[in-house]
Formats: sequence, structure tokens, C-alpha cells
Amino acid sequence: NAGVTQTPKFQVLKTGQSMTLQCAQDMNHEYMSWYRQDPGMGLRLIHYSVGAGITDQGEVPNGYNVSRSTTEDFPLRLLSAAPSQTSVYFCASSPTGANVLTFGAGSRLTVL
Amino acid sequence: AQSVAQPEDQVNVAEGNPLTVKCTYSVSGNPYLFWYVQYPNRGLQFLLKYITGDNLVKGSYGFEAEFNKSQTSFHLKKPSALVSDSALYFCAVRDSTGGYNKLIFGAGTRLAVHP
Repeated sequence: NAGVTQTPKFQVLKTGQSMTLQCAQDMNHEYMSWYRQDPGMGLRLIHYSVGAGITDQGEVPNGYNVSRSTTEDFPLRLLSAAPSQTSVYFCASSPTGANVLTFGAGSRLTVL
Repeated sequence: AQSVAQPEDQVNVAEGNPLTVKCTYSVSGNPYLFWYVQYPNRGLQFLLKYITGDNLVKGSYGFEAEFNKSQTSFHLKKPSALVSDSALYFCAVRDSTGGYNKLIFGAGTRLAVHP
């Protein structure tokens, strides 16, 4: 049982480049979400999904897109990377209603 | 607005002494409260939660938390700290406006336990 798997673990981009952070879970969780972690600011919610085909915006959605074509996968796309998107990104999932999130190990992104 | 505050950036404790990591919250309705721990270069791990019932909640690794409705606090405690408890601790509250499992996190408190 792998839990929540994020790839890549590290990535360096130049301003304006695009990329996708991958997130996959094998626990059949309906709810999936993306957070970014910045020093002194805790974790802020970017986007979330309550099931395949359903996504919604969180607190800081600008510059990011998501899709949920399957229960298992929830990729996060950066359309045109900016230095302000330098951060550590965490994917998390849970069964609906259970409230406890299971987190991936994180993806550290640097935008130059 | 709903929010979580962790007033201390860092807490320093000697091994064997009791520890407290503070958390206060602001939320409409009944709060669903959580503590998570993050070890270096790892994702967050769930420690404990308060939904309803007994105000003293016991969780993983010997941690417990006390819910105080009048003070809107949910402080994390442990009777005897271990060096291995050194990590970053996050308090979180469920976003009651959004439903589902959306959590609002505090900024985090770094716990340093010294031998």
C-alpha cells in the first residue's frame, strides 16, 4: 500500500515554463487536494476535488490548474511558472467525511 | 473569517520535561480540530483530532490535546518530551464554510527537544 505518491520530488523551472506535478493515491479516497507550504505561512489550499470529474478552487488557485479524470490521480499544472510559485507542494487525500488527510512526501519546486 | 493561530514560532524543551504547543482558533459553529506533525523532508502525519466528546484527546506517540471552548484553544501536550519529538507541528481546523475535508492550517511551530 503506497498511500499518496507525488512526483517529481524536486524540480527547477525557469520563469514562464509550464509543468505538471503528479499525485496518485491507491486508497480509493474520494477527496484529494493540493496545498503549498511556505515559511511562516503554514499550508494553503490551492485546489481540491471531491470525486472524479469534480474540482474546485481553494485559497490560492491563481496560476494553477487541476483535473480529476480518475479517482486515483489528481495532477497540478503550472501554466506559466513565476518565482512566487517557488514552494513545497503537498498532495493530500481522504475518504469523504473522514476528515483526516493522508499526505504525500511533497514536491519542492524552484522557479528562477 | 475562520483562522488558526499558533503564537510561537519555536518551542524549546529539555528531554524528559513536559511540552506544550499552543493553538487558538476562530471558526463559526462547532470546531473540528486537528494536530499534524512534519518531520524533515517528509509530508505531514496525523497526530490527533477533536470532533466532539471528551475535551482531552489522546493521539499518537504519547501526545494529547486539550480542547477549551471558552478560550477557543486546542493546545498540544506531552508529559515527557523525547529528542525524537523534534519536528514542525501544525494545528488545523476544518473549514466549516466549504464542508468536506478542507482544512485551514496554522503557520506551524517548530519543537526542539534538547538532550
